[in-house]
Amino acid sequence: EDQVTQSPEALRLQEGESSSLNCSYTVSGLRGLFWYRQDPGKGPEFLFTLYSAGEEKEKERLKATLTKKESFLHITAPKPEDSATYLCAVPASNDYKLSFGAGTTVTVRA
Amino acid sequence: DTAVSQTPKYLVTQMGNDKSIKCEQNLGHDTMYWYKQDSKKFLKIMFSYNNKELIINETVPNRFSPKSPDKAHLNLHINSLELGDSAVYFCASSQDVGAMNTEAFFGQGTRLTVV
Repeated sequence: EDQVTQSPEALRLQEGESSSLNCSYTVSGLRGLFWYRQDPGKGPEFLFTLYSAGEEKEKERLKATLTKKESFLHITAPKPEDSATYLCAVPASNDYKLSFGAGTTVTVRA
Repeated sequence: DTAVSQTPKYLVTQMGNDKSIKCEQNLGHDTMYWYKQDSKKFLKIMFSYNNKELIINETVPNRFSPKSPDKAHLNLHINSLELGDSAVYFCASSQDVGAMNTEAFFGQGTRLTVV
């Protein structure tokens, strides 16, 4: 069965304290891994798509990497505005459904 | 201009009532979705339409019925509401089926509270 697991559930950081979020998946024939950001009271907002192991994408203080079994979202020198829930998602093995992880809620204190 | 807009943003209703949530996208996308996000933040797909054709129909109670009058609109009707239906419902759209090659755009969500 396809599964997407994110860890940790919550992450509290001091401004400037870099850290990483993990997304592990068990999907055969990965067709892409997506990272989304969700602010309270809003819908998820797309960040990155990764398609193959070794691929990396960057956007401001965020960098996403992908291996054959997991993806990491690195937050470098975070600022309070990086506080959000970060969701990863993968398409199911045999159909069109996107399976989302439960997310990691990041809180960055000034 | 809001890309994916859904109404209402908040909906409080009594058990047993019937309610609808509306969604419209102005991105010209072919595929639209309804997701449910529970209190533990899990986003689970409920339905997906591609060019007005139902392509994903997850195991949800048949009290939930999607309707797509055209490819820019996907409404969700819920009959005989139950306490367990309380959640945030998100509409989304993408250019390709399943949002596997392009990103999905989400609406702001409708927080449904059944009392």
